[in-house]
Amino acid sequence: DGGITQSPKYLFRKEGQNVTLSCEQNLNHDAMYWYRQDPGQGLRLIYYSQIVNDFQKGDIAEGYSVSREKKESFPLTVTSAQKNPTAFYLCASSIVTGDSPLHFGNGTRLTVT
Amino acid sequence: SQQGEEDPQALSIQEGENATMNCSYKTSINNLQWYRQNSGRGLVHLILIRSNEREKHSGRLRVTLDTSKKSSSLLITASRAADTASYFCATDENTGNQFYFGTGTSLTVIP
Repeated sequence: DGGITQSPKYLFRKEGQNVTLSCEQNLNHDAMYWYRQDPGQGLRLIYYSQIVNDFQKGDIAEGYSVSREKKESFPLTVTSAQKNPTAFYLCASSIVTGDSPLHFGNGTRLTVT
Repeated sequence: SQQGEEDPQALSIQEGENATMNCSYKTSINNLQWYRQNSGRGLVHLILIRSNEREKHSGRLRVTLDTSKKSSSLLITASRAADTASYFCATDENTGNQFYFGTGTSLTVIP
């Protein structure tokens, strides 16, 4: 089955620690995205990548970093510089055309205390 | 930037009734998409409507787009309890490679 896998589903970290969220897709999509969702709110774009070894900042990139070394993988690191890291993180992928839908993983809920 | 804004924020209806939710956006677009999210899960794509289209159907879903008013509506007919979810609109703000989501409408269908 083709799809996007995010792991882990739940993640707990102490303040001041960096943490990396995994996102893997086997849909052969060129574009991948990271969104953050806070309770009762919409999705906000953190980073996106349209091709291997290239990525662009979204609206809320501060305190986050990404890499795109392989087409199927787009890990997100939440650094200690991110002031409010507790959130639900969603990874998505799409064919790189303007009218292709996004395919989402089931998210990682990160709690930082 | 948060492009879309859904209305109402929450909607509660009886099974069998129709549900209508609206989306307004700010800039010109290439297309508008609607997604569904069950609690604690990822989003699932429902339907895409291009800027040169006015109406589109998919099963029990009907989407309209009015680019002059920068608004779209999603109608779910003959609702079922399984339709209970949050619904989001997303636009590409003419970038073609970034998608901006609204704040969502939380739909509850009472059996």
